[in-house]
Formats: sequence, structure tokens, C-alpha cells
Amino acid sequence: ETGVTQSPTHLIKTRGQQVTLRCSSQSGHNTVSWYQQALGQGPQFIFQYYREEENGRGNFPPRFSGLQFPNYSSELNVNALELDDSALYLCASSLDLYTQYFGPGTRLTVL
Amino acid sequence: DAKTTQPNSMESNEEEPVHLPCNHSTISGTDYIHWYRQLPSQGPEYVIHGLTSNVNNRMASLAIAEDRKSSTLILHRATLRDAAVYYCILRGGTSSGGSNYKLTFGKGTLLTVNP
Repeated sequence: ETGVTQSPTHLIKTRGQQVTLRCSSQSGHNTVSWYQQALGQGPQFIFQYYREEENGRGNFPPRFSGLQFPNYSSELNVNALELDDSALYLCASSLDLYTQYFGPGTRLTVL
Repeated sequence: DAKTTQPNSMESNEEEPVHLPCNHSTISGTDYIHWYRQLPSQGPEYVIHGLTSNVNNRMASLAIAEDRKSSTLILHRATLRDAAVYYCILRGGTSSGGSNYKLTFGKGTLLTVNP
């Protein structure tokens, strides 16, 4: 069974640029959630996709957007990057209400 | 979201039991209690969850107070590999989807295990 994978591992961007982060769900999972984790903090929920539709959103501006594909892989897009967007971005997949399986994350640095 | 309160940090010795407390006095009747942990440089990892009864799995035990306003994660024999941040999270139990699926993380408890 393949776990959740994310790419890239690390990324450096400059202010104002756009970034796309990718997540491959665990086999058989139809739900993907994205989280942002700033240094020293717990992960914060960005949004969730269920069967290709957004199924809940946290307190993040519209420049954070996402997609889920028919194979249940997912993308997180962030436009007009700000310095505060520097964080670890985590993707988690699940099939039911209870257990989310997290990937290793993408470390984004905005200069 | 109902809030949880955990100590910032705890310390244990290897091969000794560890009891990690969590207070959740505003828990609702349908909230499940979840525990995740995050090892250094990794994503969070599911540990255990429960509703009312105590739960055991290969990783840990979860003891839930009778009034459900607190719970304790028990690691029966701590190893160096158990050093991590442990998060106690309440999650809605309805099947309507939406925000019930999300996990609301606090700062968690940093567990240090001494050799």
C-alpha cells in the first residue's frame, strides 16, 4: 500500500510569485485535506476536497486554491505569495471520518 | 470548534510508561477524541481515537474520563522513537462531511524521552 506522497520536498519562491504543490493520496482514499504549519505551531486547516469538490475551507484567503483530480490526487495553488506564506504544507488523505493519513509535507520558503 | 488544553511539554525515561493529559471541558456529545503525533521533520501520524470507552491499539491506550471532559493518552513503554509532539483533537462525529472532516490542531505536548 503506497502512502501519501507530496512534491516537491522543498521550494523557494519570491514575494508575488505563484506556487503549485502536489499531493498523491493513499490508494483508495477519496478525500484530501491541506494544512499549513508555521514553525513552532500546529497545522492549520486550509481546505478539503471530497470527490473533486471543495468540502470545507478554513480561514485562508481566496489566493489559496486547490484541485482534486479524478484519480484523487490534488494540487494546492497559492497566488501572490507573501512572506508569511513560508511554512510546511501538509496534505492528508482519508476514506472515512476518522483517520487522516499525512504526507511528509512541502517546505515552502518565500523570500 | 471545541478546544483542548495540553501541557506544553513532558519528559519521560525510556521503557517507562507515559501519561499525556488533555482537557476538553466543552466537548459535545458527538465529538470524538483523536490523538495524532508528529515526529521531527515528518507529517502528523494517527495514534488513536475514541468516543466514550477506553481504547487500546498497538501504539497506545486512550483513557477517557466518565464525564468526557478529559482524556489521557498512555504509552505503555516509551522508546526514543516516541519523542514527538502529541496533539489531542476533538472531531465532530456527524456524517454530513464538510468541516466535520477537518482536524483542528493546537500546539500539542512536546514529549522528550530520555535514554
